[in-house]
Amino acid sequence: DTAVSQTPKYLVTQMGNDKSIKCEQNLGHDTMYWYKQDSKKFLKIMFSYNNKELIINETVPNRFSPKSPDKAHLNLHINSLELGDSAVYFCASGGTAPYGYTFGSGTRLTVV
Amino acid sequence: DQQVKQNSPSLSVQEGRISILNCDYTNSMFDYFLWYKKYPAEGPTFLISISSIKDKNEDGRFTVFLNKSAKHLSLHIVPSQPGDSAVYFCAASGTGANSKLTFGKGITLSVRP
Repeated sequence: DTAVSQTPKYLVTQMGNDKSIKCEQNLGHDTMYWYKQDSKKFLKIMFSYNNKELIINETVPNRFSPKSPDKAHLNLHINSLELGDSAVYFCASGGTAPYGYTFGSGTRLTVV
Repeated sequence: DQQVKQNSPSLSVQEGRISILNCDYTNSMFDYFLWYKKYPAEGPTFLISISSIKDKNEDGRFTVFLNKSAKHLSLHIVPSQPGDSAVYFCAASGTGANSKLTFGKGITLSVRP
């Protein structure tokens, strides 16, 4: 009965490949998010979707494309992977203040 | 441009003592402040929050204090327990449908038995 589940947990791939990370939430939240935690440990928002509609799109290369087939799912597709894309990617669903978001356990992406 | 700053990367305290984790922010439009706790290989989990109209919120061993004039908040854990050892993130958000959580870079708390 995991609240926010993302797969895979680990992903090792070569430069130039295309990969996807899937996220699903069973909390009934309308809004879902993708965050990136880089090597400096900052958690930075990438995208947010509200009821399948893109709400927030931070300065992210357009090689990253989120897809929300329904409000319980927000997948992240990354084209032409680069070394600098190596990070931990967290999916979350929210979350009206002050209750915050519920995060998935993260996907550690390593580009070699 | 870091809007939420956690300037100390780590803190070590003795079990049973108080842990005080600090956080500063620059954006006066923030309405809510939250603390998250993160264990290795897990996602951050919500711990406690405070609205900008309050100066204190308490939940068991955890208390968050907010000083709006100084743009500073702190998390107090008392008494500290070894299971509290984790990374603690401070986060802040505005209100409205387009609000987002802005995080600090976290502080690693180690509670020594």
